[in-house]
Amino acid sequence: SAVISQKPSRDICQRGTSLTIQCQVDSQVTMMFWYRQQPGQSLTLIATANQGSEATYESGFVIDKFPISRPNLTFSTLTVSNMSPEDSSIYLCSVTYRGLNQPQHFGDGTRLSIL
Amino acid sequence: SQQGEEDPQALSIQEGENATMNCSYKTSINNLQWYRQNSGRGLVHLILIRSNEREKHSGRLRVTLDTSKKSSSLLITASRAADTASYFCATLTQGGSEKLVFGKGTKLTVNP
Repeated sequence: SAVISQKPSRDICQRGTSLTIQCQVDSQVTMMFWYRQQPGQSLTLIATANQGSEATYESGFVIDKFPISRPNLTFSTLTVSNMSPEDSSIYLCSVTYRGLNQPQHFGDGTRLSIL
Repeated sequence: SQQGEEDPQALSIQEGENATMNCSYKTSINNLQWYRQNSGRGLVHLILIRSNEREKHSGRLRVTLDTSKKSSSLLITASRAADTASYFCATLTQGGSEKLVFGKGTKLTVNP
């Protein structure tokens, strides 16, 4: 299965600042996703990261707040912009090799706290 | 809205007992997947069951799917303290936008 490295693993940030989270996979994958998991809650899909083009965002998430890059088949970044305490969550990267009819593999997540 | 809804929300059992978690969903699916999340970690895939399958096994895990009732269950037999984790079902819906939708999860505690 995929080895997914997510950095940073955790951070404490000031209100109004931005943080970029990196997701590196050890092999080429077809699809990469970013999820948010609020404290004690389930996962909510933020967007699908598309290689070489704009990400596909889910309802309630916008590019200005969560810009995403995916320059190649093994790497993606998620930026959480102009952070507020409501953005305190775990942000998870996941990948799949052959589409959604196959299992997704997850990184360990980035635990983000906003003061 | 969440597609999958697990119950119970929390389950506490003794080592050696079996644990059963249920998942209900609302619309037609292509597949249903179960994941485990240990505290402070990412999700680990357990089992994927397709809409035309009724039961799958993997080690001590048994998953059933009843598409007529739009429900699935995950059975963990002979549980161990290391099984303590949150368990989520996720559904891939038919048609429309393809994405996995996760349920709220069941928090399982296995006491030694």
